Amino acid sequence: DTAVSQTPKYLVTQMGNDKSIKCEQNLGHDTMYWYKQDSKKFLKIMFSYNNKELIINETVPNRFSPKSPDKAHLNLHINSLELGDSAVYFCASSQDASGAWRTDTQYFGPGTRLTVL
Amino acid sequence: AQKVTQAQTEISVVEKEDVTLDCVYETRDTTYYLFWYKQPPSGELVFLIRRNSFDEQNEISGRYSWNFQKSTSSFNFTITASQVVDSAVYFCALGVNAGNNRKLIWGLGTSLAVNP
Repeated sequence: DTAVSQTPKYLVTQMGNDKSIKCEQNLGHDTMYWYKQDSKKFLKIMFSYNNKELIINETVPNRFSPKSPDKAHLNLHINSLELGDSAVYFCASSQDASGAWRTDTQYFGPGTRLTVL
Repeated sequence: AQKVTQAQTEISVVEKEDVTLDCVYETRDTTYYLFWYKQPPSGELVFLIRRNSFDEQNEISGRYSWNFQKSTSSFNFTITASQVVDSAVYFCALGVNAGNNRKLIWGLGTSLAVNP
């Protein structure tokens, strides 16, 4: 069984288009994340949701909008795609990242390689 | 500042050599967590280990071992008798407070090439 899954695995699109990436986890975790990994392999957190509530929102353009219909799903919608959005996007989940006393292990999906032409 | 430094950008070894990947961190938190992840050429991110700041015991898992030294703020990773399948980018990460929540601060990764 796949723990954290993402679709699609590859996404090639034109500048200016709107696209979505879906993420689902079957681990029963409360917290989900979106990361962007650039061509130099730098991992940057974009968003984090705990039980459908946004808890981390790093400096990300408004064109990026996460949506969590339930705690097992966290989708990423991107409007007006730009060349600089080309990257690998990873979804991850952890048991519970709320509260200040522990850091749960994050488990990652396989990644979605987005190419904007 | 809260940061993770992986000073080795790329390492190349011959199979069966031992190799150590360095990780140095900075944090103001008194309680924190440290992680290593592996990213093989196929691209997925694989969790290897988590360590909390109160547990300085070294850990061994097969050919992998980790040396946590609070005095030098380091959490180094050693692969013994490396194999070609160990070729990957390895990331060290630090779990820190982010307001009322926690988040991971990532190093830039060390790319390890194990040659036959």
